[in-house]
Amino acid sequence: DGGITQSPKYLFRKEGQNVTLSCEQNLNHDAMYWYRQDPGQGLRLIYYSQIVNDFQKGDIAEGYSVSREKKESFPLTVTSAQKNPTAFYLCASSMGTLGSNEQYFGPGTRLTVT
Amino acid sequence: RKEVEQDPGPFNVPEGATVAFNCTYSNSASQSFFWYRQDCRKEPKLLMSVYSSGNEDGRFTAQLNRASQYISLLIRDSKLSDSATYLCVVKPYNNDMRFGAGTRLTVKP
Repeated sequence: DGGITQSPKYLFRKEGQNVTLSCEQNLNHDAMYWYRQDPGQGLRLIYYSQIVNDFQKGDIAEGYSVSREKKESFPLTVTSAQKNPTAFYLCASSMGTLGSNEQYFGPGTRLTVT
Repeated sequence: RKEVEQDPGPFNVPEGATVAFNCTYSNSASQSFFWYRQDCRKEPKLLMSVYSSGNEDGRFTAQLNRASQYISLLIRDSKLSDSATYLCVVKPYNNDMRFGAGTRLTVKP
């Protein structure tokens, strides 16, 4: 059963702590993405990766870090430098970044930082 | 100006009604267009791609107007299960997808 998994579904952290969100896909997609969604706003791109061991900053990369050591995995770390980390985080993947490749999303992780 | 703009709604319609959403985009280099559906507290799911000639998938029809830089989604014979937020997405050839904030639809019995 192919798809994208994210864990955990809900995550609670204290301010000042780093936290890592997991994203795994078995669709054999080359490209993977991280977005955050806040109420009343469109999805905003944090980071994306076109191939293993390579990634680029999106529009709101400050306070986040990623790695892409395996094709299937693209974990996101929310660091203590991120000023407003509470949000719904969505991971997506696609065949590639060029042309009309649709993106497919994982179920998301709701992060609450207090 | 936002790159992708949508009327946030909510659109409240009775079952069986026809409802249409529009979306405007600012980047004239945009080449690919999509509608995604997002249920409350869930991930977005691809509803349909939008082709230059317009396309239909059952009760759903999508249209693209490049000259005016807008796309539309028409839903005929609305079902209760169509209640969701509909996200307009545009993409230049080699750039990232740009998402609208969504239009919320509620279909009532």
